[in-house]
Amino acid sequence: DVKVTQSSRYLVKRTGEKVFLECVQDMDHENMFWYRQDPGLGLRLIYFSYDVKMKEKGDIPEGYSVSREKKERFSLILESASTNQTSMYLCASSVNRGGSTEAFFGQGTRLTVV
Amino acid sequence: AQTVTQSQPEMSVQEAETVTLSCTYDTSENNYYLFWYKQPPSRQMILVIRQEAYKQQNATENRFSVNFQKAAKSFSLKISDSQLGDTAMYFCAFIHSGSARQLTFGSGTQLTVLP
Repeated sequence: DVKVTQSSRYLVKRTGEKVFLECVQDMDHENMFWYRQDPGLGLRLIYFSYDVKMKEKGDIPEGYSVSREKKERFSLILESASTNQTSMYLCASSVNRGGSTEAFFGQGTRLTVV
Repeated sequence: AQTVTQSQPEMSVQEAETVTLSCTYDTSENNYYLFWYKQPPSRQMILVIRQEAYKQQNATENRFSVNFQKAAKSFSLKISDSQLGDTAMYFCAFIHSGSARQLTFGSGTQLTVLP
């Protein structure tokens, strides 16, 4: 079974802190994604990576950055956390085989910025 | 840009009954894939069913089936013989063929199966 693991289920951080959300997948997938999930808005793509050190901005990249130094690990960084970044964050991965491939999701990190 | 619309924020169904979740999408592309994902309470999102736009036959997976109307850009999910374990948030999603980039999600429908 594909496994996508996010380092924390729950995080509480203070405004202005630098926050790291980590995601690891164990199936050698080329693609990795970070989504933000908010009630009534569904999932919105923050960043996408299709290879090591390669990244593309999604729909809402402002206030976030990412790092992919190894194929299995994709990190989301909040440079200076703000209260409007309080949300559920979902990591996903998929094989790079066109649009037909299934995305596999982590369990999510619920981040609260106070 | 494509959009995905789920107009039913919440739905409920009695156990063993059938329920249909609606999804419409907008795209100018001809080749794409559509998905329904399920997110149970406090659990990981999983794929329920997938439909290729070039296939006219509706996809089915056990109790789950879709009604894909390409001209109407409609992609509804039917759950037959609903079970308590079907209680979850359901997301409709879209992606262009040849692209593994952006899956576009709808806003979700919270389905509750009542005993």
